[in-house]
Amino acid sequence: GAGVSQSPRYKVAKRGQDVALRCDPISGHVSLFWYQQALGQGPEFLTYFQNEAQLDKSGLPSDRFFAERPEGSVSTLKIQRTQQEDSAVYLCASSPRDRSEKLFFGSGTQLSVL
Amino acid sequence: AQSVTQLGSHVSVSEGALVLLRCNYSSSVPPYLFWYVQYPNQGLQLLLKYTSAATLVKGINGFEAEFKKSETSFHLTKPSAHMSDAAEYFCAVSAGGTSYGKLTFGQGTILTVHP
Repeated sequence: GAGVSQSPRYKVAKRGQDVALRCDPISGHVSLFWYQQALGQGPEFLTYFQNEAQLDKSGLPSDRFFAERPEGSVSTLKIQRTQQEDSAVYLCASSPRDRSEKLFFGSGTQLSVL
Repeated sequence: AQSVTQLGSHVSVSEGALVLLRCNYSSSVPPYLFWYVQYPNQGLQLLLKYTSAATLVKGINGFEAEFKKSETSFHLTKPSAHMSDAAEYFCAVSAGGTSYGKLTFGQGTILTVHP
C-alpha cells in the first residue's frame, strides 16, 4: 500500500511569507508526528497527534508554527512569517496505533527561505 | 531529559568488512532505543529497536545492535558490508509509554562502502 506522502517535495519561500506543508499518513494510522531536520542534523520532534487531538506540541519552536489534523487523517504544518532559520526538511511520520514504537516516515518537504 | 551521541559523523569501510556505528545515550528513565536508516531522497526506515526485551537485537538487512546499560551504549553492527548499505544512519531514544513516538535523534553517521 501507499506510504506516508508529503507535499510539496520542495518549497521556496521569501522571508515573511506564510507556508503550508501537507502530510497524508498511511490510511488508518492513528498517530502522526512532525519533525524538523536541519542540514547536517538529526530530526527534531515538533508535535504529535492522536487522531485529531494534538497531544504534544512542545517541540514547536515559536508561535509562528501551527499544526492541525482536523479529521484525524491529513495534517498540515503551517509556518507564518517565515524566517531564514526555518529552512530545513520537515518530516512527517505516522504509526498504526497509539504507543506503537514503529514510525513510518515520509520523504519530507525541503523548505528554503530566501 | 534524553540525548543521543553518535560517535563519528562519517564512517568508511570496504565491501565485506565489519560495519560498526557507535551510539551512546543518556536517559532519566529506562530507554527505548532505535536505529533508523535514510537513503537519499527517501524517508527514514526503521532498522531495529530495543524495548526492554532481549539486549541483542536483530534487525533488517543483517544489522544488529546490543544494548549495554553499564556503558549506556547501543552500537550498530553488521559482519559484512554491502555496497547497498551506503546511507545515513540515525540512532534515537524515546521514553516509551505515552512518548513512544517522541524520538530524540543523534546527528547521524554517513556510511560509505568502498568496492
